[in-house]
Amino acid sequence: EPEVTQTPSHQVTQMGQEVILRCVPISNHLYFYWYRQILGQKVEFLVSFYNNEISEKSEIFDDQFSVERPDGSNFTLKIRSTKLEDSAMYFCASSGGGLGNQPQHFGDGTRLSIL
Amino acid sequence: SQKIEQNSEALNIQEGKTATLTCNYTNYSPAYLQWYRQDPGRGPVFLLLIRENEKEKRKERLKVTFDTTLKQSLFHITASQPADSATYLCAPRGMNRDDKIIFGKGTRLHILP
Repeated sequence: EPEVTQTPSHQVTQMGQEVILRCVPISNHLYFYWYRQILGQKVEFLVSFYNNEISEKSEIFDDQFSVERPDGSNFTLKIRSTKLEDSAMYFCASSGGGLGNQPQHFGDGTRLSIL
Repeated sequence: SQKIEQNSEALNIQEGKTATLTCNYTNYSPAYLQWYRQDPGRGPVFLLLIRENEKEKRKERLKVTFDTTLKQSLFHITASQPADSATYLCAPRGMNRDDKIIFGKGTRLHILP
């Protein structure tokens, strides 16, 4: 069964450095999402992306964050200048349709540790 | 703002019994309700969807109910097994294009052998 893949599985970065998290969504999907989960807390929405532009973003997704779909297969999340509080698990998800009757398919995440 | 509450943070159930998890939502009228399973260190995995005009949906040992008057969904696992131990997340969903998921904290289910 097709799946969403994320790399790296674990990223350790010094505070203030830039980091890029990579995702390969399911190939025929059109809707893409990033979520994050701080240890012990709930999964929180960051941003949705469709037709090569951001559809919606949460308050967490400030100017330090950006997303890109540089080619037909990858979907990336960039954090320009990382902060300690950015430490979390970041999940990419994709969906074949955007409506609520469509499941979102999640990757297994990138654990981001900011030192 | 939308609020999702799941009955308890952790639930211990004896193997073979039925586990029942509760999801209550407020400030929202979802057209669908989805349930996901999350294992430690993994991403959520979609399990079931129920529509607002459906009272009940079944899939193998799973059963979901949806009461739009009470604003509540119940998720049942019958003949529970230790492999069912995980965190279960409910996700009320709407009709908007590009509908994001607002998750609750989930219920951590432990099936005791």
